[in-house]
Amino acid sequence: GQNIDQPTEMTATEGAIVQINCTYQTSGFNGLFWYQQHAGEAPTFLSYNVLDGLEEKGRFSSFLSRSKGYSYLLLKELQMKDSASYLCAVRGYNDYKLSFGAGTTVTVRA
Amino acid sequence: KAGVTQTPRYLIKTRGQQVTLSCSPISGHRSVSWYQQTPGQGLQFLFEYFSETQRNKGNFPGRFSGRQFSNSRSEMNVSTLELGDSALYLCASSLPREGGPMSNTEAFFGQGTRLTVV
Repeated sequence: GQNIDQPTEMTATEGAIVQINCTYQTSGFNGLFWYQQHAGEAPTFLSYNVLDGLEEKGRFSSFLSRSKGYSYLLLKELQMKDSASYLCAVRGYNDYKLSFGAGTTVTVRA
Repeated sequence: KAGVTQTPRYLIKTRGQQVTLSCSPISGHRSVSWYQQTPGQGLQFLFEYFSETQRNKGNFPGRFSGRQFSNSRSEMNVSTLELGDSALYLCASSLPREGGPMSNTEAFFGQGTRLTVV
C-alpha cells in the first residue's frame, strides 16, 4: 500500500514563494504527480516526476528524491488565484491507481 | 477536445436506495478510474477500468461496483446507500500504454458528481 503525507495548510503572501512537501512510503513506485484543486472544481494536473531531480514548468517546479521518498512542489511569484488545495499522488509499480495525500490548502494573502 | 464528462452533477438520495453515476472519458482514452472524495478521507481510489475490464480495485465494500462499455464510457453503482456515502465522486480518464501500467500520462478529472445521502 501507499502512505502519503503532506501538510494540511500553508499561508503565504502574494508574490512570495511556497514549498509544499510530500513524503511517501510505498510498496512500489511508478511516478509522483501533483494536482491543483480549487474549491468545488476537479483536480487539474500540475506536474509529474518519475526520476530524481527537478522539473520546472513556469512558476511551478516539482522535485523528487526516490531514495528519500520525498517530493516537493514549489510555487513561485504567488498569485491570489493560486489559493487552492494541492494534492500529491503516487502511482504504484504495475498498478493502475493513484494514491493521494490528503492535500495541502494554500491560502495566498494580499 | 471535450474533457471528461460526469453526470449528474448533483444528486440527493435516501438511505437504502441505489444510485448510478456516469462518466464519459476524453475521446480516445481507454482507461477510466473512479475516486471518492470526502473532507475527512481525501481522494480514495475506487476502481479502474481498461477495455471493459476492471484492472484494479480499492478497499471499498461490495456495494460499490462499476463497469465500462465498449465506447469506454463507464458507470459506477452504489447499492443500499448509507449516510457515509455522501461524497464527491470523481472520474478520471487517461491514455495508458497497451497492456501495461501507465507511463507519464496524467489522469484528467471530470467535475464530479456530488452525492448527498439523507
